[in-house]
Amino acid sequence: GAGVSQSPRYKVAKRGQDVALRCDPISGHVSLFWYQQALGQGPEFLTYFQNEAQLDKSGLPSDRFFAERPEGSVSTLKIQRTQQEDSAVYLCASSPRGGAGVETQYFGPGTRLLVL
Amino acid sequence: KQEVTQIPAALSVPEGENLVLNCSFTDSAIYNLQWFRQDPGKGLTSLLLIQSSQREQTSGRLNASLDKSSGRSTLYIAASQPGDSATYLCAVLSNDYKLSFGAGTTVTVRA
Repeated sequence: GAGVSQSPRYKVAKRGQDVALRCDPISGHVSLFWYQQALGQGPEFLTYFQNEAQLDKSGLPSDRFFAERPEGSVSTLKIQRTQQEDSAVYLCASSPRGGAGVETQYFGPGTRLLVL
Repeated sequence: KQEVTQIPAALSVPEGENLVLNCSFTDSAIYNLQWFRQDPGKGLTSLLLIQSSQREQTSGRLNASLDKSSGRSTLYIAASQPGDSATYLCAVLSNDYKLSFGAGTTVTVRA
């Protein structure tokens, strides 16, 4: 079956531009996660949705970062006024149920963002 | 805050040698620990998941151990192959949903 997909796969933005990154989770998955992975580092948690509810946004680096999942399926991560330090791979993951403590998360291929 | 450390950062071995990858974490109050594989330009693939009540998990040539009290896990890969070349990430789940990752060990298996 189809896995988690993300688009675009690569994005080059000029400093100050706004960008929108899309995540299509596995159909029917309740939980959705966004992570940021800097070069040579492990992924860092950004935010967590259970259906359309954003239950945790504690990892978002600044108020320039905004995520939504309005219908409980597709999610968009928006970054306003991009800065060079936003350059990273943005990973999306989903899992079948809420409270995913005993389940693995299924990851998409990521969007590689480069801010010039 | 949970801190996860992986040693070594990189490893290069000849084909057929066994691999030993280490992971340590600072807070022993975890739900589970997972080992992921990451290939360049691709997402993460879960290899093994060990619940906090378990001591080890095995899948084929892979075996992972967990010592929660000392905050350590080890991933063993037997009889390595060139196709095992990738970055291996350790991640711990410290609450219902938030994974904390190490920086990874990049493995190269030479043919």
